[in-house]
Amino acid sequence: GAGVSQTPSNKVTEKGKYVELRCDPISGHTALYWYRQSLGQGPEFLIYFQGTGAADDSGLPNDRFFAVRPEGSVSTLKIQRTERGDSAVYLCASSSGPSNEQFFGPGTRLTVL
Amino acid sequence: AQSVAQPEDQVNVAEGNPLTVKCTYSVSGNPYLFWYVQYPNRGLQFLLKYITGDNLVKGSYGFEAEFNKSQTSFHLKKPSALVSDSALYFCAVRDITFHNQGGKLIFGQGTELSVKP
Repeated sequence: GAGVSQTPSNKVTEKGKYVELRCDPISGHTALYWYRQSLGQGPEFLIYFQGTGAADDSGLPNDRFFAVRPEGSVSTLKIQRTERGDSAVYLCASSSGPSNEQFFGPGTRLTVL
Repeated sequence: AQSVAQPEDQVNVAEGNPLTVKCTYSVSGNPYLFWYVQYPNRGLQFLLKYITGDNLVKGSYGFEAEFNKSQTSFHLKKPSALVSDSALYFCAVRDITFHNQGGKLIFGQGTELSVKP
């Protein structure tokens, strides 16, 4: 079956611009996670959705970052007024429950010039 | 606070030899531990997990990991390495602090495994 998909695969933007990153989880998975991976580092948690609600957004670095999952399936990570330090690979993962393994998408590589 | 450490940035092994990638953890309570592998320009792939039960966990592609509570370790092992095993390996622990029931993962820094023919 289809895995987690993310679009776009690459995004280049200019400092100060707004970007949206999309995640399409595995069908039926109620839990959805966003992580950010910088070069040479392990993924760092950003936000977790259970259904439509953000159950844990403790990893969002500041109020420029926001994420939604309005229908409990697709999620969009939104970054306002991008900064060069936002450049990273943004990973999305889904699971059938919080105790189960997470399945990751291929990521979106964001480059802020 | 929960944390994971992978003490080796890189592990080099000859094909056919056994391999070990080390991981230690720090958690309050019982740990939920995971190993993931990342191939170049691809997402993380789940290898195996320890939740409870037998300390030796078997996973995908012939990998296994041994949970050692007294040493707070969860080392990844394979009896005979393949060149195709060369990749970046991440150990992770589920954050199960009181305020979090969501299963977010805390990852180690990663270990680059290089298997030479």
